[in-house]
Amino acid sequence: NAGVTQTPKFRILKIGQSMTLQCTQDMNHNYMYWYRQDPGMGLKLIYYSVGAGITDKGEVPNGYNVSRSTTEDFPLRLELAAPSQTSVYFCASSYPGDRVVGELFFGEGSRLTVL
Amino acid sequence: AQTVTQSQPEMSVQEAETVTLSCTYDTSESDYYLFWYKQPPSRQMILVIRQEAYKQQNATENRFSVNFQKAAKSFSLKISDSQLGDAAMYFCAYRRARGGAQKLVFGQGTRLTINP
Repeated sequence: NAGVTQTPKFRILKIGQSMTLQCTQDMNHNYMYWYRQDPGMGLKLIYYSVGAGITDKGEVPNGYNVSRSTTEDFPLRLELAAPSQTSVYFCASSYPGDRVVGELFFGEGSRLTVL
Repeated sequence: AQTVTQSQPEMSVQEAETVTLSCTYDTSESDYYLFWYKQPPSRQMILVIRQEAYKQQNATENRFSVNFQKAAKSFSLKISDSQLGDAAMYFCAYRRARGGAQKLVFGQGTRLTINP
């Protein structure tokens, strides 16, 4: 059981380049999330999705886009990369339900550096 | 909006001793969940323990226990018999019980060092 898989694990971008961080989960979770973690800080929510075809902004969505065409996949797109997007990105998923004390299952993170 | 505050950027403890990490949060809701996550150098986020706000009894998981003070909006983590493998960043997190798509709000983290 692979859980949540993110690729790539490391990437260096030049300012203005674009790229997509891939995330896939094999637990049939409806809910998926993208967080970013800046050095010495906690995680901040970028975007989330409650199911295929449904996405919504989190706390820090500017400069990013997402799509959710399948239950398994939730890619994060960076357009026109900026140094402020240098961070570690985490994808996570969870089982839905208000009364479910949903544990979030995290991927191993993707370290992105924009120079 | 809910906020989570961890006022201790770094803590250290001798191996086999007990350490307590602090967390406070701000919310106007009465029903919610609280979590402690561990992030070792591998970066993998690992759930340590969780607490449902409607439960008065403090959660425990082996050497890990919490002191949940709902009125004070405090949620501290106690690690007993500290082991070298406990060295990591620890994050406190909050989640609404209803709605909110299970989004977590994280604190800034506390880096725990275990001295042999």
